[in-house]
Amino acid sequence: KQEVTQIPAALSVPEGENLVLNCSFTDSAIYNLQWFRQDPGKGLTSLLLIQSSQREQTSGRLNASLDKSSGRSTLYIAASQPGDSATYLCAVNNNDMRFGAGTRLTVKP
Amino acid sequence: KAGVTQTPRYLIKTRGQQVTLSCSPISGHRSVSWYQQTPGQGLQFLFEYFSETQRNKGNFPGRFSGRQFSNSRSEMNVSTLELGDSALYLCASSVLTGASSGNTIYFGEGSWLTVV
Repeated sequence: KQEVTQIPAALSVPEGENLVLNCSFTDSAIYNLQWFRQDPGKGLTSLLLIQSSQREQTSGRLNASLDKSSGRSTLYIAASQPGDSATYLCAVNNNDMRFGAGTRLTVKP
Repeated sequence: KAGVTQTPRYLIKTRGQQVTLSCSPISGHRSVSWYQQTPGQGLQFLFEYFSETQRNKGNFPGRFSGRQFSNSRSEMNVSTLELGDSALYLCASSVLTGASSGNTIYFGEGSWLTVV
């Protein structure tokens, strides 16, 4: 059974800092991994999708990497802004999506 | 392009009642999946429908059921509600099925269910 873990559970940084969120999973036989953002009381917004054959994806200030063999993915956020404050979830697709518990990010002005 | 639409957004039900939630996917998307989100358990997969067929099911009791119509709209039903069913129910749609590497899924805003 796929287990997805996200570390840290919460993170608080000053504006402008670069940061890394971590996601690990136990079963490397995945179709893809997707990073989402969730604002309080809202649904999930897709940030980046990395297919199993890919190593990384970039969108603006976000860069996600995937190392299937070690069961790890990272989400790198450059030059963080207060508007980046949200919960970030990674989801691993083994035929259905398994989500981590999320990292709650606070970016202080 | 309209996103994933879920109705109702908020509802309160009494223990023992049943509830039906609706999800309209993004136009052209044939896969609809449902998730339950609670503070204690996080996001958990309920089931996925593709072209009116249930393709995959999570580990939930039979009180949770769903269906998909020919226009890809989907409903989920929970019978004999329990207090523990209080949660945010999220629907997501995608072009391809879950068993596809290039499958980006898009979520609706969710339906907040409170069981009292």
